Amino acid sequence: QKEVEQDPGPLSVPEGAIVSLNCTYSNSAFQYFMWYRQYSRKGPELLMYTYSSGNKEDGRFTAQVDKSSKYISLFIRDSQPSDSATYLCAMIDYGQNFVFGPGTRLSVLP
Amino acid sequence: EAQVTQNPRYLITVTGKKLTVTCSQNMNHEYMSWYRQDPGLGLRQIYYSMNVEVTDKGDVPEGYKVSRKEKRNFPLILESPSPNQTSLYFCASSSSSGETQYFGPGTRLLVL
Repeated sequence: QKEVEQDPGPLSVPEGAIVSLNCTYSNSAFQYFMWYRQYSRKGPELLMYTYSSGNKEDGRFTAQVDKSSKYISLFIRDSQPSDSATYLCAMIDYGQNFVFGPGTRLSVLP
Repeated sequence: EAQVTQNPRYLITVTGKKLTVTCSQNMNHEYMSWYRQDPGLGLRQIYYSMNVEVTDKGDVPEGYKVSRKEKRNFPLILESPSPNQTSLYFCASSSSSGETQYFGPGTRLLVL
């Protein structure tokens, strides 16, 4: 079993839909949780990060962490074609070991 | 402009020929890291550095070396590249413990 699991997709949604992206993990030592967005032929860019269970909102994006279930989510409201990208969850443990999920490819259709 | 730069962006080489991929950041970040990205496997950490002269292994360090002699530079060295090191490589930097990493544009390496 991989340390971090993520549905690889591809996920296709119509413009304006609410998108839910999810990751599960097995290592209870992970303390920081992040979501990155990666456009084709580009490096990942940080969208959001959090270190506690609960929700964190930033514009159309909401990150949710449930440490008891070892489950994190990213919600995108009013999705736009410009949101089409690969979304990577990432986590850091106490030893500064950085682990990424394999990524979910999202397509938002106009 | 704050950025992480990598060179070269594309490289084709042959098995056993030593190569170095350079990484430089202009944000005075302490933390720097190297990753490789492969289809279906996502990003995997190769090495990271918490500060000058401090480096540590990530998940997949075999076949790679790094050095951190200056704060801004963190080169990745492949002493004897093999075809299984064909991949897309990213360098990243961060100002603190690494949770807000900034990534370079990537280096696509093909080892024949």
